[in-house]
Amino acid sequence: GNSVTQMEGPVTLSEEAFLTINCTYTATGYPSLFWYVQYPGEGLQLLLKATKADDKGSNKGFEATYRKETTSFHLEKGSVQVSDSAVYFCALSLDSGGYQKVTFGTGTKLQVIP
Amino acid sequence: ETGVTQTPRHLVMGMTNKKSLKCEQHLGHNAMYWYKQSAKKPLELMFVYNFKEQTENNSVPSRFSPECPNSSHLFLHLHTLQPEDSALYLCASSPRTSLPETQYFGPGTRLLVL
Repeated sequence: GNSVTQMEGPVTLSEEAFLTINCTYTATGYPSLFWYVQYPGEGLQLLLKATKADDKGSNKGFEATYRKETTSFHLEKGSVQVSDSAVYFCALSLDSGGYQKVTFGTGTKLQVIP
Repeated sequence: ETGVTQTPRHLVMGMTNKKSLKCEQHLGHNAMYWYKQSAKKPLELMFVYNFKEQTENNSVPSRFSPECPNSSHLFLHLHTLQPEDSALYLCASSPRTSLPETQYFGPGTRLLVL
């Protein structure tokens, strides 16, 4: 089956530090890849996506590159802010009987301290 | 504000109670979803509705009963739950089921089963 593996959190960083959250996937097929963010007390929001190998998704200073050879989609940001504190979910989608089924990882909590 | 609201935000119930979770979307979407979010586990898709018709039941126990009277409203009826059903239940909607990245999530209902 399809699955997404993320690094366990929480990840605690000081403001302006470099962020990497690892994500690898297993899929029967050629998935699209996503990162979602969940701020405290809110639902998930799409952060960025990539639909084919070597694509780079980017948004709000975050980036992730679709690496087919390593089946990875690691999330990076050069300088984190306190406002980036949230839970980050890696996900993939594949066609499943006529609709795109999304498989999520466990989420990685990021805490940024001033 | 994502346009998807959920009530109640918090719920405590005994194992013999019957309760319902409500989700409402004001986005004109045609697809609605229920997810279960448990600590240290991947986000689990429970049910998918497309144009009020259930298109996915992800092997969810019958003590969870969904209802979708129209494209704007989605309910999750709960009865004789177990303590392991305690989790955050997220509702989402999207224009259609073929574009998962367009899902908008509600803030969730935090459920505690005693």
